[in-house]
Amino acid sequence: GAVVSQHPSWVICKSGTSVKIECRSLDFQATTMFWYRQFPKQSLMLMATSNEGSKATYEQGVEKDKFLINHASLTLSTLTVTSAHPEDSSFYICSARRSGGYNEQFFGPGTRLTVL
Amino acid sequence: KQEVTQIPAALSVPEGENLVLNCSFTDSAIYNLQWFRQDPGKGLTSLLLIQSSQREQTSGRLNASLDKSSGRSTLYIAASQPGDSATYLCALGSGNTGKLIFGQGTTLQVKP
Repeated sequence: GAVVSQHPSWVICKSGTSVKIECRSLDFQATTMFWYRQFPKQSLMLMATSNEGSKATYEQGVEKDKFLINHASLTLSTLTVTSAHPEDSSFYICSARRSGGYNEQFFGPGTRLTVL
Repeated sequence: KQEVTQIPAALSVPEGENLVLNCSFTDSAIYNLQWFRQDPGKGLTSLLLIQSSQREQTSGRLNASLDKSSGRSTLYIAASQPGDSATYLCALGSGNTGKLIFGQGTTLQVKP
């Protein structure tokens, strides 16, 4: 149990376009999901906390108008990178916290975004 | 501000050795601590979760300990195998928000 999926697993886009990444908890409900980005050979940096039915909470330095987060159901959160630029190229990983659990987080397989 | 440090950054051992990975943190007021494994280009796999009130957790060949007073956690891997080669990350949950603060990771290579 506790499987989290992400789609797509990789995406290449042109500069200026928008890209949507989906994060789904497949076998449990998650009131809270988190979005991270990871640069090569670096650790994960939290971008935002996504709460079902409410606005996301962004970490300092993360532009909320550029990284749009929607958490419309207990099993789905989406991250949209708007007007993507090459510096947005990164590995984006989501995690989901199981409702009623011990705050254990389960991570998706990640999405590799390359902006040309 | 909580800071998490993992030492060493990289480790190479021959197959069969027992090894210890270290994680230290600056603020002992933690909610829980989680150890993850990450293979290259992949997401994170949760290995062990230790609640603030616990001292250790075990799963198979893995044992994680937590000493809040000294700000340290260790991940012990017994009888290492080449399949254990990966990056190991520790992450601290510092409150009920669920937010995790990650260390930089230790990249482990187990040689056959």
